[in-house]
Amino acid sequence: DAGVTQSPTHLIKTRGQQVTLRCSPKSGHDTVSWYQQALGQGPQFIFQYYEEEERQRGNFPDRFSGHQFPNYSSELNVNALLLGDSALYLCASSLWRAQAFFGQGTRLTVV
Amino acid sequence: DAKTTQPTSMDCAEGRAANLPCNHSTISGNEYVYWYRQIHSQGPQYIIHGLKNNETNEMASLIITEDRKSSTLILPHATLRDTAVYYCIVRVQAGANSKLTFGKGITLSVRP
Repeated sequence: DAGVTQSPTHLIKTRGQQVTLRCSPKSGHDTVSWYQQALGQGPQFIFQYYEEEERQRGNFPDRFSGHQFPNYSSELNVNALLLGDSALYLCASSLWRAQAFFGQGTRLTVV
Repeated sequence: DAKTTQPTSMDCAEGRAANLPCNHSTISGNEYVYWYRQIHSQGPQYIIHGLKNNETNEMASLIITEDRKSSTLILPHATLRDTAVYYCIVRVQAGANSKLTFGKGITLSVRP
């Protein structure tokens, strides 16, 4: 079992650009959540997808959007990147009622 | 905002028990207590969770007070690899508010 896998592991983008991050959930999991972790802070919830729909959303602007595919994998898209979007982006997968398992994250640097 | 309060940091000697406290005085009846840890530059790792009974697994024990307003995570024999940030989180199991709300956690340093 590969666990939760995220790609890419590291990414450098220029301010104003758009970025897409990808997540493959742990085998058998149907729910994917995304978190942003700034340096020295705990992860902050962005949104959660279940049955290909956004079910919950944290306090993030519309520049942050996502998608879940029929195979339960997910993408996080961020438009019009700001320097403040530089962070570790974490994907977590779970079954609807069970504990979440996290991937190793994508380190995004905006310059 | 996080619903839990944890000390900023603590340390313990290798081989000794590490007792990590957490206050969650506003916990609701349907909220569970979860513990995760994050080793530097890695994703958070699930440790244990419980509702009101004490729980034990291969990693740790979770002791929840009878009034459920606080809990303690116990690592029975801490090793250097247990050095990490530990997050105590309260969460409903499912539904609209089942997201994990992380605070700043407690940094545990295990010394040789």
